[in-house]
Amino acid sequence: DTEVTQTPKHLVMGMTNKKSLKCEQHMGHRAMYWYKQKAKKPPELMFVYSYEKLSINESVPSRFSPECPNSSLLNLHLHALQPEDSALYLCASSPREGGTDTQYFGPGTRLTVL
Amino acid sequence: AQSVTQLGSHVSVSEGALVLLRCNYSSSVPPYLFWYVQYPNQGLQLLLKYTSAATLVKGINGFEAEFKKSETSFHLTKPSAHMSDAAEYFCAVSPVGSASKIIFGSGTRLSIRP
Repeated sequence: DTEVTQTPKHLVMGMTNKKSLKCEQHMGHRAMYWYKQKAKKPPELMFVYSYEKLSINESVPSRFSPECPNSSLLNLHLHALQPEDSALYLCASSPREGGTDTQYFGPGTRLTVL
Repeated sequence: AQSVTQLGSHVSVSEGALVLLRCNYSSSVPPYLFWYVQYPNQGLQLLLKYTSAATLVKGINGFEAEFKKSETSFHLTKPSAHMSDAAEYFCAVSPVGSASKIIFGSGTRLSIRP
């Protein structure tokens, strides 16, 4: 099983809402990632978790709050987002952080903030 | 800082023709280099990667890329294009020993003419 799953596929939320994105993998990977991809742009790294601990935060605004409750799950909690936060949010995982390990990407959650 | 430049935001070739997608990197030392493909409304899939081993790297779906240090290039090729190759292609770079912090190029959209 080389699949990373993400739910929901689509999400529409208002600027005052609180919502969460979920990512799951059952490959035994110990590194998990969140990326943000605006339309017609490349993905940009947001967060990296290694062994359930936050390893990299690419200066992401606090309205995005990641959480890694166990080695298979990665959440991204959203609160008080802005319309410019509308994007495709991609999750990825790799066996470990660093080295030459390949990152496996999920299909993404398309977020629209009204 | 490391970066990659993809020459041509859109490339169109005929079915059966050679595919050549260009990527140049900027780094003081040879980095790790990657090519990813993204089909519409999907996540990213690794095509191939260079991690300081063989300079000619073979990937999935008949793609290959050659690392040329003298030209700081890592161009992606496929001898014969198929309609199913139509997608967005991203060249990416990461520091040696840290494949977690991938920086993507701006992407090249490949179209295949019947």
